[in-house]
Amino acid sequence: GAGVSQSPSNKVTEKGKDVELRCDPISGHTALYWYRQSLGQGLEFLIYFQGNSAPDKSGLPSDRFSAERTGGSVSTLTIQRTQQEDSAVYLCASSLRTGISGNTIYFGEGSWLTVV
Amino acid sequence: QQQVKQSPQSLIVQKGGISIINCAYENTAFDYFPWYQQFPGKGPALLIAIRPDVSEKKEGRFTISFNKSAKQFSLHIMDSQPGDSATYFCAASISGNTPLVFGKGTRLSVIA
Repeated sequence: GAGVSQSPSNKVTEKGKDVELRCDPISGHTALYWYRQSLGQGLEFLIYFQGNSAPDKSGLPSDRFSAERTGGSVSTLTIQRTQQEDSAVYLCASSLRTGISGNTIYFGEGSWLTVV
Repeated sequence: QQQVKQSPQSLIVQKGGISIINCAYENTAFDYFPWYQQFPGKGPALLIAIRPDVSEKKEGRFTISFNKSAKQFSLHIMDSQPGDSATYFCAASISGNTPLVFGKGTRLSVIA
């Protein structure tokens, strides 16, 4: 596709359930990022993947959060045993590659997660 | 520890006026400073970016001013228009290995 595609666009889930959020990056982009945007809190880095390197998981807030990237393309962010504080917009982004300062990062429109 | 501090949190500007948003950073290793614009329901999009080897960069009505010694940079929107109403995020990164670190955002409203 022309841009970063995320699904679902909206998800309402019950507390304690697991959720999976999907990201399809721009074709050819080797770097993929997940950020979380909470009201008034800006964009919080979660994890990023660069090619075949081990992902940088330093931003994941707890072990309930995990992400994988299959075949160097599509990525899935999984939140287990969701809590109300997990309610946020989860943004995926991609770029041609990291390691190059100034490489433009392109964001998807986000997955709005509401935990009730 | 908040690595990039952004102010103000919200800003109301008259149409035709100048909007100014400020950011301060702590890590002197940062060497790439972009500004992103986000409209409601959309993802952030790159607006303009600067490297520390220049003190100013201008693209149309948008200008970044950079002060390396003060570790500050700002976004100036000249002749602000209602269509500029959005949330603006400053960010910073280190060339090599790090993702962008974002400020908390400024909600700009341009009123006629």
